[in-house]
Amino acid sequence: AQSVAQPEDQVNVAEGNPLTVKCTYSVSGNPYLFWYVQYPNRGLQFLLKYITGDNLVKGSYGFEAEFNKSQTSFHLKKPSALVSDSALYFCAVRDSLTGGGNKLTFGTGTQLKVEL
Amino acid sequence: DTGVSQNPRHKITKRGQNVTFRCDPISEHNRLYWYRQTLGQGPEFLTYFQNEAQLEKSRLLSDRFSAERPKGSFSTLEIQRTEQGDSAMYLCASSLAKLLSYNEQFFGPGTRLTVL
Repeated sequence: AQSVAQPEDQVNVAEGNPLTVKCTYSVSGNPYLFWYVQYPNRGLQFLLKYITGDNLVKGSYGFEAEFNKSQTSFHLKKPSALVSDSALYFCAVRDSLTGGGNKLTFGTGTQLKVEL
Repeated sequence: DTGVSQNPRHKITKRGQNVTFRCDPISEHNRLYWYRQTLGQGPEFLTYFQNEAQLEKSRLLSDRFSAERPKGSFSTLEIQRTEQGDSAMYLCASSLAKLLSYNEQFFGPGTRLTVL
């Protein structure tokens, strides 16, 4: 079975400071990993993905994520946070093995609040 | 707008009534997914289609739920004899499946169902 954990319900950071939103995963095979962002009353927007290759993945709006196989983590990062980054962030995983199907399994989400 | 669209955006119904939601995916996408999201949780997979074939259904999808994707284009999700526990946001997503690759899913804005 595939699963994702986002250990922090909320992350607070000052504008201009670096931010990190944590994610750990569990799969049987190799992971396909994704980050999505959700603004109020809107659907999920894709930020970035890791399928294979470089462990550091760059995505939309200046976000990046680092895949760490030994720690089974895929933390989302941004060097300098903006107030407009305040939103709900979801990590998701899909198992590369056929038995995992094509569904994504999402974490419970982390609310990011960026303050002036 | 060439993204995923969902109708209606909001639906309020009385317990025991039937409801139907529609999803129009991105036109060239051959995979279509339905998820359910409740407050404070990440989206949970319900079912997915590759073209017109429904290939996987979650155990969350009880006998009261049925989904179709005639002609491999738009999809409908019907809930019969609605219960208060069905109140949630129903999200549709689509993706383009290619051999030896895994593309991200693009989500629609969702249909918020309230069962009174």
